[in-house]
Amino acid sequence: DTGVSQDPRHKITKRGQNVTFRCDPISEHNRLYWYRQTLGQGPEFLTYFQNEAQLEKSRLLSDRFSAERPKGSFSTLEIQRTEQGDSAMYLCASSLEAGGQSNEQFFGPGTRLTVL
Amino acid sequence: QQQVKQSPQSLIVQKGGIPIINCAYENTAFDYFPWYQQFPGKGPALLIAIRPDVSEKKEGRFTISFNKSAKQFSLHIMDSQPGDSATYFCAASMGGGGNKLTFGTGTQLKVEL
Repeated sequence: DTGVSQDPRHKITKRGQNVTFRCDPISEHNRLYWYRQTLGQGPEFLTYFQNEAQLEKSRLLSDRFSAERPKGSFSTLEIQRTEQGDSAMYLCASSLEAGGQSNEQFFGPGTRLTVL
Repeated sequence: QQQVKQSPQSLIVQKGGIPIINCAYENTAFDYFPWYQQFPGKGPALLIAIRPDVSEKKEGRFTISFNKSAKQFSLHIMDSQPGDSATYFCAASMGGGGNKLTFGTGTQLKVEL
């Protein structure tokens, strides 16, 4: 399967714990995005990378959230001191930016986080 | 601030019908308008996208109509099938599909036999 993969698919944690999610983009894609989707809503942009550089962060991304893409391939999203309001589906997407042409984003299946 | 407003929230049509989903945007800097389809437990998948230099785009049974002056765009699904039952999201971005997407709130479509 050459699509975007995310791990784990489901995560249940207790309030106050830290969690980390992983995203593996399509191999030749240089851009990687994180979105958050709550029940009955559309995905909301959190942050994105071009290669290893984090180019933009949403105001939704509090100090408890941090994302990395250390070698320009896979990315991790960490949430520290989780709160019940962090319960959501966390979606990763990737795209290829080449020669000034911006191409479509391909989404992974998401990681569903439940904070008890 | 909701920059992309989508309606209706849910829609039921009979097989063969033509469901229409509407979106309106506020930011005139948006220049790329995709529609995504999402099945339960899956990530969104791109259906079709349009740029504001054209008023209509067709791909198979899916058509986007775009009205730049009204800042509105809509998705039409021709000859709808039960397999089209899913949640549909409109979105918008500045500078093409490789930039952050602002999504609408979604329309849950059910196509009945």
